[in-house]
Amino acid sequence: AQSVTQPDIHITVSEGASLELRCNYSYGATPYLFWYVQSPGQGLQLLLKYFSGDTLVQGIKGFEAEFKRSQSSFNLRKPSVHWSDAAEYFCAVGGNNDMRFGAGTRLTVKP
Amino acid sequence: DVKVTQSSRYLVKRTGEKVFLECVQDMDHENMFWYRQDPGLGLRLIYFSYDVKMKEKGDIPEGYSVSREKKERFSLILESASTNQTSMYLCASSSRRSQPQHFGDGTRLSIL
Repeated sequence: AQSVTQPDIHITVSEGASLELRCNYSYGATPYLFWYVQSPGQGLQLLLKYFSGDTLVQGIKGFEAEFKRSQSSFNLRKPSVHWSDAAEYFCAVGGNNDMRFGAGTRLTVKP
Repeated sequence: DVKVTQSSRYLVKRTGEKVFLECVQDMDHENMFWYRQDPGLGLRLIYFSYDVKMKEKGDIPEGYSVSREKKERFSLILESASTNQTSMYLCASSSRRSQPQHFGDGTRLSIL
């Protein structure tokens, strides 16, 4: 079965700084990969997804992620963070009729 | 716009009570899921359903049961609530199990 690791439990960045959230997965075939965001008190919202093709995918709210097969990674990036980006971010891997979520990374944005 | 609706945002119950959490989706999805979310543990799958009246256990089914009598509705049942079931519960649906899931806003359940 597939698995997902998000190495960073909590990250703090200053508003306007760039952001990269790490995600590593384990899966024997080409996975489906997802990033979700959860604002306080809310459910999860899909930010972006990778199924195949171009390894750099664009999502909502100015986020992008890059699939690197050689590193089994799918890191999320944003060039300039806004205070409203403070939330919890979950990476997920789908395949083999299953979906697995990482434990999440909490993002704090400093003024 | 697609929607997954959970019947309660906040719920307070007593130990030993039978608790029902309801979830409705309007996307005609085959698959529906119940997760439990606790700090530091991420999302843990309790049960999922791939069709009406069909269900499979997830990673942590103990103490829970589910019901899916209609395609759009998936209920989570705590047969005899205990304090260690205090948590955030999230419902989700998808067209296939490996496809993007659509989530409700969650029910924060407190068992006293």
